[in-house]
Amino acid sequence: QKEVEQDPGPLSVPEGAIVSLNCTYSNSAFQYFMWYRQYSRKGPELLMYTYSSGNKEDGRFTAQVDKSSKYISLFIRDSQPSDSATYLCASGGRSGGGADGLTFGKGTHLIIQP
Amino acid sequence: DTGVSQNPRHKITKRGQNVTFRCDPISEHNRLYWYRQTLGQGPEFLTYFQNEAQLEKSRLLSDRFSAERPKGSFSTLEIQRTEQGDSAMYLCASSPYASVLTGEQFFGPGTRLTVL
Repeated sequence: QKEVEQDPGPLSVPEGAIVSLNCTYSNSAFQYFMWYRQYSRKGPELLMYTYSSGNKEDGRFTAQVDKSSKYISLFIRDSQPSDSATYLCASGGRSGGGADGLTFGKGTHLIIQP
Repeated sequence: DTGVSQNPRHKITKRGQNVTFRCDPISEHNRLYWYRQTLGQGPEFLTYFQNEAQLEKSRLLSDRFSAERPKGSFSTLEIQRTEQGDSAMYLCASSPYASVLTGEQFFGPGTRLTVL
């Protein structure tokens, strides 16, 4: 079992829809959680990060972490065709600090249909 | 552009050759990370530096791989005697000391390696 599991999709939704992307993780020691967006043949771009459980909102994006169920979510409101990309969830902090290498899911390929 | 830069962006080599990649982190970021990403997978951690010290190596970093960060600025990743299985995107990321609690890492555009 991989430490971070993510459905690779593809997930196809119409423009304007609310998108829900999810990951689960197995290592209870993870302390912080991130979402990256990656366009084809580009490097990952940091979208959101959260420390421990809770919600964080930034514009059209909301990240949620539930440590009791080891569940990570990203919601995108008013989705746009430019949001079409691969979304990667990542976890870190196994050693108690912020210096660890991150553990990534496989990424979910999201397609927003105009 | 003040982001992480990587060179070259693309490298094609023949099996058995040595290759070296360079990463320039964001200015004043003291941590630097190397990852490898294959098609359809998320990035996998290889190694990281705090300033010039290499503090962690993944089991993925075989003895054919070596990374350096002289003077704590740019870093190089060398692969000796390349194999076809080394074909991947090699990503570099950096983070500032301020991220010690939050763990944010900022990625470069990657170097795509193709081993023929």
